[in-house]
Amino acid sequence: GESVGLHLPTLSVQEGDNSIINCAYSNSASDYFIWYKQESGKGPQFIIDIRSNMDKRQGQRVTVLLNKTVKHLSLQIAATQPGDSAVYFCAENWGTGRRALTFGSGTRLQVQP
Amino acid sequence: GAVVSQHPSRVICKSGTSVKIECRSLDFQATTMFWYRQFPKQSLMLMATSNEGSKATYEQGVEKDKFLINHASLTLSTLTVTSAHPEDSSFYICSATPGSENTEAFFGQGTRLTVV
Repeated sequence: GESVGLHLPTLSVQEGDNSIINCAYSNSASDYFIWYKQESGKGPQFIIDIRSNMDKRQGQRVTVLLNKTVKHLSLQIAATQPGDSAVYFCAENWGTGRRALTFGSGTRLQVQP
Repeated sequence: GAVVSQHPSRVICKSGTSVKIECRSLDFQATTMFWYRQFPKQSLMLMATSNEGSKATYEQGVEKDKFLINHASLTLSTLTVTSAHPEDSSFYICSATPGSENTEAFFGQGTRLTVV
């Protein structure tokens, strides 16, 4: 059921600044990671992914870093814009075939104009 | 990217009634779809895996008789919340992945269910 009083961690940044959102994962067998953006009342939207044979991957204004030693994933957003305000989730998966993603707890990004 | 469409986006129903939510893959075939539930300010929690032509696989603690899943075609899975109660009010989201390997999952728009 719903947890009363639960709040998502919030990262507040100024427009134009760079944002870094962090995620710790627990399954050492995970070999595929995705960052999703979720706006209020909508489903998650794919941002960027990375496989475990890489430690860095860049997209348009976004970079994902993977540190398998400490099981840590980060999402860097360059020149953050008001439209980037949303909740960001990391998700992980492993092995071959189709399995459901396991989602992290999420971080709310608030961009101040 | 691939498109997953979910309908309805919002539904309000009376306690004790049933509600059906549809999830369609519009431009690819999906033998497997996933249903998640999300409470306010929380993450997505997997409810069940929907398998085309066979029974769904439910996560621990999810009642299969309450959350009926039907995956009768390669592009459509439905979730029916039976005898809904206020505690079933939540945001329900489906996802599907094109292809057979672990790649990006595409999500529906979500369905906000409110049981009054």
